[in-house]
Amino acid sequence: AQRVTQPEKLLSVFKGAPVELKCNYSYSGSPELFWYVQYSRQRLQLLLRHISRESIKGFTADLNKGETSFHLKKPFAQEEDSAMYYCALKGGSARQLTFGSGTQLTVLP
Amino acid sequence: EAGVTQFPSHSVIEKGQTVTLRCDPISGHDNLYWYRRVMGKEIKFLLHFVKESKQDESGMPNNRFLAERTGGTYSTLKVQPAELEDSGVYFCASSPSSIYNEQFFGPGTRLTVL
Repeated sequence: AQRVTQPEKLLSVFKGAPVELKCNYSYSGSPELFWYVQYSRQRLQLLLRHISRESIKGFTADLNKGETSFHLKKPFAQEEDSAMYYCALKGGSARQLTFGSGTQLTVLP
Repeated sequence: EAGVTQFPSHSVIEKGQTVTLRCDPISGHDNLYWYRRVMGKEIKFLLHFVKESKQDESGMPNNRFLAERTGGTYSTLKVQPAELEDSGVYFCASSPSSIYNEQFFGPGTRLTVL
């Protein structure tokens, strides 16, 4: 069975501080990992995916197969980064996403 | 281009009543997914359509839930009869044919069963 764990329900940091949102997964094969974000009063949207290996809005995430982790990082948080962040996994031939429970990030001024 | 749309945005019904949620995917997207987030829990997959066919309905919780996708366009999700534990936010997402394509989510329907 596949599972995604986000250990922090809430995370607060000050503007300009580094931020790391943790994500660990359980999957027997080679998964595809994603980070989705939901800003206040907006719909869920893709932030980044591990196969793209790109930085979006200053965020990066590296897939660590040894630790089965896909942590989301940003060196200098901004107030507009405040949102709900979901880590998600897609495994094998399945098309659907398996989500973690989400982390509510608040960036304080 | 309009994104995925869902109707209604909110629905409040009493236990035992019937509710039908609608999703209009992005035009041309063959894949349509339903997910839901119940209070305090993670977003969970319900089912997946490819055009008008159910590809995977392994996440449907029980036979009170019925999903259809007429002519491979819009989809409906009917809950009959609704129970208290069905309360939550129901999301629809769509994507083009390739397995590598991004899923685009709708705004969700918040369902409250009293």
